[in-house]
Amino acid sequence: EAGVTQFPSHSVIEKGQTVTLRCDPISGHDNLYWYRRVMGKEIKFLLHFVKESKQDESGMPNNRFLAERTGGTYSTLKVQPAELEDSGVYFCASSQVVRQDRYGYTFGSGTRLTVV
Amino acid sequence: GDSVTQMEGPVTLSEEAFLTINCTYTATGYPSLFWYVQYPGEGLQLLLKATKADDKGSNKGFEATYRKETTSFHLEKGSVQVSDSAVYFCALSDQDTGRRALTFGSGTRLQVQP
Repeated sequence: EAGVTQFPSHSVIEKGQTVTLRCDPISGHDNLYWYRRVMGKEIKFLLHFVKESKQDESGMPNNRFLAERTGGTYSTLKVQPAELEDSGVYFCASSQVVRQDRYGYTFGSGTRLTVV
Repeated sequence: GDSVTQMEGPVTLSEEAFLTINCTYTATGYPSLFWYVQYPGEGLQLLLKATKADDKGSNKGFEATYRKETTSFHLEKGSVQVSDSAVYFCALSDQDTGRRALTFGSGTRLQVQP
């Protein structure tokens, strides 16, 4: 089966611009998660979708970040306007069941965002 | 809140050396513990996991034992290879809190030299 696909793999934008990241989860996975790793630090949770609903968005840093998952398939994460501190690697993960303690996630290869 | 602390890198070893990457955690409930690995240019992959105290997770020659008394989950491998060069992340999932997300450490870069 195809894995979790993210694109673009790299994006370089200027401060103040808008960027949209996309994640295609594994087909049939209702749970979709966004994480990011900033400046070589820990990977931090951003939000969790169950189908098209936001189950937990406690990790979203501020209202410049907007995540959507229309139709419960792919998801987008828009940053508008981008700031320098938004630079980092954004990971998407999906799972079929919520109990990832038993089954784990499948992660995408990430989008490296650089804001200059 | 929950947190994971792992040793800073990079860790540089010669091929066939013994590897230990330390990981300790704090959690509100009774977490499951994981090691994820990111090879160059690839996404995060689940390396191994343990869901209860004294469980040993193992995969590809790597092992880690869930130590509740010391709140640790150290990663070990008896003989590393150049192909093991990657970034390793320790993580926990605290289902008891109702939160579905993983809490990660900051990652440890391993460089294995031939």
